[in-house]
Formats: sequence, C-alpha cells, structure tokens
Amino acid sequence: AQTVTQSQPEMSVQEAETVTLSCTYDTSENNYYLFWYKQPPSRQMILVIRQEAYKQQNATENRFSVNFQKAAKSFSLKISDSQLGDTAMYFCASSGGSQGNLIFGKGTKLSVKP
Amino acid sequence: NAGVTQTPKFHILKIGQSMTLQCTQDMNHNYMYWYRQDPGMGLKLIYYSVGAGITDKGEVPNGYNVSRSTTEDFPLRLELAAPSQTSVYFCASSYPPLGRSGSPDTQYFGPGTRLTVL
Repeated sequence: AQTVTQSQPEMSVQEAETVTLSCTYDTSENNYYLFWYKQPPSRQMILVIRQEAYKQQNATENRFSVNFQKAAKSFSLKISDSQLGDTAMYFCASSGGSQGNLIFGKGTKLSVKP
Repeated sequence: NAGVTQTPKFHILKIGQSMTLQCTQDMNHNYMYWYRQDPGMGLKLIYYSVGAGITDKGEVPNGYNVSRSTTEDFPLRLELAAPSQTSVYFCASSYPPLGRSGSPDTQYFGPGTRLTVL
C-alpha cells in the first residue's frame, strides 16, 4: 500500500526565518506527482507546490521550494522568509492512489511566531 | 469561476438522522472525490466518481452513498448518522489521473463541511 509519512506533528519558526517540513513516501508507481497542501484555520485546502517525479529539478513557488530526493523517497518543503500568514497545517500528498485519489500524510502544524 | 463549492459549511445531526452534503464544481472535471478528515489525521477517501453515472467506493465507504447524475454535482448521502461520522468532509475534483490522459493529478478542493453527530 502506498503511504505518506510526516514525522513532525508540530513545528514553530520565528517570522522571517526559514523552516523545513519533512515528508517521506512509498509508492510502486513509476511516474507520480507529489504535493504540499496548506490548510489554514479556515480549513480550505490550498495547493502550495507540486513536483513531477520524472523531473529532477526541484519545484519552486516564490518563498516555497522543495527538496525532492527520488531514490530516498523524500520530499521536504522549505519555507523562506516565514510570514505570520504561513501559520497552518501542511499536508504532504502523493498521487497514484488506486482510485486516482491522493494519499495524504497526517500533517505538520506550523506556527510562525512574531 | 467558483471552483469547487460545498454546502453546508457546518451542520449538527442527531444519531439516526440522514442528510446530504452537496458538492458542485464548474471546471468540467470528470473526476470527483469525497474525503473525510478526522482530528490529527490526513484525508481518507470515501467515494469517488470518474464521470456522470459512474461511482465507486474508496477506503472508508461504510455509512455513505453517492450519486453522480451530472458532471458538475456529486452529493454525499449519510444514512442513519452515527457519532463515528463526526468529521470534516471535503469534496475535490480533478482531470483524469496521471497516465490516463497525461494531465497532472492536481486536485482542487472545496472549503469543507464540518459535521457533528450527537
């Protein structure tokens, strides 16, 4: 079975600092996508960044970047210049569920402190 | 373009009652999903649909039913509600998954429905 593991239930960072959230996954698919979703207190699931497994180049979106290590099945999210609005739950997810669904980790609660 | 919309946002249900959670998307996506999110957990798939008239079970389908009469709508029905169905419910839609059309697997989520069964 495909799994996604986030080993950090909670993290905190000072405003303007950099933080890295960890994620490991296990899949039997040859081609797949990996995602980080942000869930603020409003509960809305917001796509932060997406990585295509066949691309070696790490994806970046403004202050958000990933470190994708395919052989190690690792997909960490780096947030630079953290802002108070980054406070949220962050979920790592992989594609390739047997029904076309995403497989989610349990999430990391990030608090950005002023 | 509203994306994926869900109603209601909140609801309290009594044990044994039934209700329908509504989900509508305006992106002409064929694939639609219902997930539930329990406290401290990620999302788990309840049911999914690959197009109008076609639905199938996900990981946790017991106590739920779905229908898909149009591309836009994918309602989730709870029959004989139980406290174990207290959760936050998310509807999502996407293009066909990777490998079946070449489109990315990005799923677009609705705002969720917080359901409490007492």
